[in-house]
Amino acid sequence: DTEVTQTPKHLVMGMTNKKSLKCEQHMGHRAMYWYKQKAKKPPELMFVYSYEKLSINESVPSRFSPECPNSSLLNLHLHALQPEDSALYLCASSQEGGQPQHFGDGTRLSIL
Amino acid sequence: AQKITQTQPGMFVQEKEAVTLDCTYDTSDPSYGLFWYKQPSSGEMIFLIYQGSYDQQNATEGRYSLNFQKARKSANLVISASQLGDSAMYFCAMRARGNNRLAFGKGNQVVVIP
Repeated sequence: DTEVTQTPKHLVMGMTNKKSLKCEQHMGHRAMYWYKQKAKKPPELMFVYSYEKLSINESVPSRFSPECPNSSLLNLHLHALQPEDSALYLCASSQEGGQPQHFGDGTRLSIL
Repeated sequence: AQKITQTQPGMFVQEKEAVTLDCTYDTSDPSYGLFWYKQPSSGEMIFLIYQGSYDQQNATEGRYSLNFQKARKSANLVISASQLGDSAMYFCAMRARGNNRLAFGKGNQVVVIP
């Protein structure tokens, strides 16, 4: 079983909806990540939180809004998404300093 | 900047045989980590093995071993005794020490056949 838990596993939403993806880890990791992955492609980094502060935003459109309420939780708020935003969204966590990132099972998002 | 190259086309492997997945990398950082991940069709990204740039010995984890050749900047994954459950996409990745960005290769598709 994965130690990083993502909910929901699947999400279908219209372009005018607002929804949130959730991620939780209890490994004491201080860095948490959001990735977007299209089929047959490697994951693309979206955001990094380090010690609960946003440290990297890879020029992601503002319709994606991350939030880190505490060291164990990471949210991704979605609003007014486009069909091209349909993808697998992966959350990951790690210790600082070059240690492996551990991923959740992902949320498969479909935008109608 | 870091770059990972995985160029092998999709591979078919006979069950119980070994398979080697190639990975070369490029970086100017003296200290870095190399990682292999497995992604089955269900989507989860599973961490397999880690090699630090200063590690003297090649990493091993069960049936997985990493053939690390620092001078050639290669970090090939060897899966011994392939099982049907090994069918998946395999990604090589690297991360410079102190940098939270993980650079991924394009991946290798492996299909294990009985």
